[in-house]
Parts: sequence; C-alpha cells; structure tokens
Amino acid sequence: ETGVTQSPTHLIKTRGQQVTLRCSSQSGHNTVSWYQQALGQGPQFIFQYYREEENGRGNFPPRFSGLQFPNYSSELNVNALELDDSALYLCASSPGAGQVYTGELFFGEGSRLTVL
Amino acid sequence: AQSVTQLGSHVSVSEGALVLLRCNYSSSVPPYLFWYVQYPNQGLQLLLKYTTGATLVKGINGFEAEFKKSETSFHLTKPSAHMSDAAEYFCAVSDKGGGATNKLIFGTGTLLAVQP
Repeated sequence: ETGVTQSPTHLIKTRGQQVTLRCSSQSGHNTVSWYQQALGQGPQFIFQYYREEENGRGNFPPRFSGLQFPNYSSELNVNALELDDSALYLCASSPGAGQVYTGELFFGEGSRLTVL
Repeated sequence: AQSVTQLGSHVSVSEGALVLLRCNYSSSVPPYLFWYVQYPNQGLQLLLKYTTGATLVKGINGFEAEFKKSETSFHLTKPSAHMSDAAEYFCAVSDKGGGATNKLIFGTGTLLAVQP
C-alpha cells in the first residue's frame, strides 16, 4: 500500500512569489486535505478536495487555492507569498463519501516552505 | 464548534517513568478523538483513535488513552517512557462526518522530552 507522498520536501521563495506544492494520496483514498503547520503550532485546516471539488475550507484567504486531479492527487497553490506563509504544509488523504468513515487522516511528510 | 486544549506545551520525564499527556476537548456532538505523534522534520503518525465503543483505546508503541465523556478528556498515557518516545504529540477532534468535510481540529501540541 502506497502512503501519502509530497513534493518538494523543502523550498525557499521570496515575498510576492507564487508556489505550487504537490501531493499523491494513499491508494484507495479519494479525499485530500491540506494543513498548514506554523513553527510551534498544531496543524490548521486549509481545505479539502473530493471528486475534484473543494468541499470544505478553513480560515485562509483566496490566494490559497488547490486542485484535485482524476487520480485523486492534489496541488496547493499559494499566490503573493507573505513572510507568515513560512510553514510546514501537510497533505492528508482519507476515504471519502461512499467509503467507510473513520475520521482518521493519513499524512504525508510535508513540504517545508520558507518565505524570505 | 469543536476545539482541543492540550495542557502543558512541554513535558519532561525520566526514562522508565509514566508518561501522561493531557487533552480536553469541546464538541457539540459525540466526538471522534485522535492522538498523533510528530518526530522532528516528519509528518504526523497516528498513535490511536477513539470512535465508538470501548473507552480505553490502545495504540502503537505501548500508548493508550481513555475517553471520559463526563470530563471531556482524552489523556494519553504510557507506563514506561523510552528515549525513542521523545517527540511532539498532538490531540485532535474530528467533525464526525459533518457535511462532506472530514476535518481534524488539532491542539497546539505537547513536546515530550525523555531524560536518561
């Protein structure tokens, strides 16, 4: 069984730039969520994708956007980067609607973004 | 709305001593509760979860937690700490299938140090 994989693992950007982070979900999972974990904090929910549609969003501005592809992989895009966007971005997959609900999320190792 | 409070951002124990990490939750519906562990520069790994049924749940690496509805608590314990247990621990509550979103709300984490 293939787990959740994310790329890149580390990247450095400057203020105002744009970034794209990628995630492959665990096999058999059709729902992908993204979380932001700032240094010393717990993960904060950004949004969730199911069947290529966003179906839940946390308190993040529109410059945070995403995509889900037919193979259930996903991208997180952040435009107009700010210093406070520096964080570990975690992707998680789970069985979605129509599958057994367990509440559990399966996390990747994350992409660490530094904004200078 | 659901929320999680972890008492003690840092806990230090001696090797072989009891580990007790505290978690209290707030939820308007019967909760699904989770403990995740995060090792340095890694993603989150599930330790254990409570959904329904038996209130004492056992997880990996000798950890267990007890769901106490009357106290709205889900404290994590391990009888004897190992050096390898040093990590950050997060308690989380799930919005149990609310709408289509499978979202976890995390506490701020407890950093466990194990002294030789």
